[in-house]
Amino acid sequence: QVQLVQSGSELKKPGASVKVSCKTSGYTFTSHAINWVRQAPGQGLEWMGRINTNTGNPTYAQGFTGRFVFSLDTSVSTAYLQISSLKTEDTAVYYCTRPFGAGAFEIWGQGTMVTVSS
Amino acid sequence: DIQMTQSPSSLSASVGDRVTITCQASEGISHFVNWYQQKPGKAPKLLIYDVFNLATGVPSRFSGSGSGTHFTFTISSLQPEDFATYYCQQYDNLLALTFGGGTKVEIK
Repeated sequence: QVQLVQSGSELKKPGASVKVSCKTSGYTFTSHAINWVRQAPGQGLEWMGRINTNTGNPTYAQGFTGRFVFSLDTSVSTAYLQISSLKTEDTAVYYCTRPFGAGAFEIWGQGTMVTVSS
Repeated sequence: DIQMTQSPSSLSASVGDRVTITCQASEGISHFVNWYQQKPGKAPKLLIYDVFNLATGVPSRFSGSGSGTHFTFTISSLQPEDFATYYCQQYDNLLALTFGGGTKVEIK
């Protein structure tokens, strides 16, 4: 079956970097974009952007430019989210998700908790 | 960006109740509205896509309607497993998808 499996929780210090992985299976990796969604503790859902798995072209939402980078390794059907110069306000659960069509997020990873604390 | 104002932010209801949640878009959007359910510690689950279409395996007690700027999500008869937080989401602008603020449905 279609699955998105994310890497485990991370604890980082301010200023460090983190790379979250999203390994896909059960479908052709290049047939659907991968989107990223952030959820800060006790807060709602925030769309971060997407990466076209055919071209590798990323689209970043407002507020997620500069320190946030989406990337792919098509050889292992995996998408990545890298966040640099981490701030305490980056503490959140990060989800990868696969839409059907353009924007209905049908399949979700289990989420990766990133905690930024000194 | 298109803002999605969701209301109420929380509600208390009993098993068997009819529950309605609304989302008001800041500008007119076509049919690009979806609804999700999220339980604590879990990823969101797609319930309704494109305003009124049930996602695969979703019970028929869930429904959606609306057009323009006003969209509604309804649970016709609340079940114990429905206590969760619900979010609307628009994708009219594919460069700026946005979610509503969420509605927490609690047991009365």
